[in-house]
Amino acid sequence: DTAVSQTPKYLVTQMGNDKSIKCEQNLGHDTMYWYKQDSKKFLKIMFSYNNKELIINETVPNRFSPKSPDKAHLNLHINSLELGDSAVYFCASSQDLVEISSYEQYFGPGTRLTVT
Amino acid sequence: AQKITQTQPGMFVQEKEAVTLDCTYDTSDQSYGLFWYKQPSSGEMIFLIYQGSYDEQNATEGRYSLNFQKARKSANLVISASQLGDSAMYFCATSKEGNEKLTFGTGTRLTIIP
Repeated sequence: DTAVSQTPKYLVTQMGNDKSIKCEQNLGHDTMYWYKQDSKKFLKIMFSYNNKELIINETVPNRFSPKSPDKAHLNLHINSLELGDSAVYFCASSQDLVEISSYEQYFGPGTRLTVT
Repeated sequence: AQKITQTQPGMFVQEKEAVTLDCTYDTSDQSYGLFWYKQPSSGEMIFLIYQGSYDEQNATEGRYSLNFQKARKSANLVISASQLGDSAMYFCATSKEGNEKLTFGTGTRLTIIP
């Protein structure tokens, strides 16, 4: 059973298009995240949702819009894709905000987005 | 703001030797956590080990141990008896209590030589 799954695994698209990446976790976790890993392997948080509510938005352009229909899903929609959006996008989830020991985050396999 | 520094962009280590991957952090928070993740060439992020800022003992998980020196703000990862399968990128990360986001370092690429 996959704990955190993402689809698609690879996404190649042209500039200006709109695309979505889906994420689902079956761990019963309360919090989900989107991270971006650039070509230099640097990982940076983009968004965090707790029980379907946005908690963190790290100065991500408005073209990126996360949507959480329920606490097991956090999808990422990107409008008007740009070349600089090419990266690997990771979804992650964790159990609880209250105790830091619960902050272990489980990551999805990643989605490699290539904008041409 | 929190910051993680990993000064070793790459390391080559002979199989079966022990490895220490360096990590220093900068935070003004009293309560925080330190994490290590492994990213093999296949791309997934694998949680390895966690250390809480108030934990007095160094964390250990199998062949992984975290050498936590709070006064020096360092949280080095030690891998004992390295294996070929340990070849991967290793990321140190931190988060503070009450704020769940992870702040990552730039990573260290570890290559185990047979």
